[in-house]
Amino acid sequence: NAGVTQTPKFRILKIGQSMTLQCTQDMNHNYMYWYRQDPGMGLKLIYYSVGAGITDKGEVPNGYNVSRSTTEDFPLRLELAAPSQTSVYFCASRLDASSYNEQFFGPGTRLTVL
Amino acid sequence: GNSVTQMEGPVTLSEEAFLTINCTYTATGYPSLFWYVQYPGEGLQLLLKATKADDKGSNKGFEATYRKETTSFHLEKGSVQVSDSAVYFCALSGPFQGAQKLVFGQGTRLTINP
Repeated sequence: NAGVTQTPKFRILKIGQSMTLQCTQDMNHNYMYWYRQDPGMGLKLIYYSVGAGITDKGEVPNGYNVSRSTTEDFPLRLELAAPSQTSVYFCASRLDASSYNEQFFGPGTRLTVL
Repeated sequence: GNSVTQMEGPVTLSEEAFLTINCTYTATGYPSLFWYVQYPGEGLQLLLKATKADDKGSNKGFEATYRKETTSFHLEKGSVQVSDSAVYFCALSGPFQGAQKLVFGQGTRLTINP
């Protein structure tokens, strides 16, 4: 089991460019999440999904889009990159909503927008 | 809304010292409480959890007790090691939150000197 994998590990974007952060899990988890982590801050939820075809906004969704066409994949799209989106992005997954099931995190993507 | 407040860091200790990292929360009802650890360059890993009042979570010598009366979930370890150097996050998942979304504290950076 690879767990939760994210690509790329690092990326530098220019203002106004777009990109997709990839996230894949091989644990057959229903729930998937995208967080951002700003320096010295905790993680904030961007979007989440409770299953293929179902997504919903988290705390900080502006400037991002997601899709969930398969159970395994949950890509995060930045359409018009802005310096405020410079952050570390973490994808996570969880089997279901039971309180006994932990969230598993990927290694993160460090994004810089200049 | 739900929120988590953690002890300000960074925290620097000598090896074998006693560790306490304070965490308090605000939530309706009885949330589940978590401590996550982030080692340098890695994603978050679940360290321990407690799902109801008076539960004690423990793992790798770390402990935390869910105190409903003081809305706290302080992390403790009796004798820290250099390998415990990491960032520690307290988090909660509300009892009425769909998809078990996590709310994180800002994180506490811990450095253990030999």
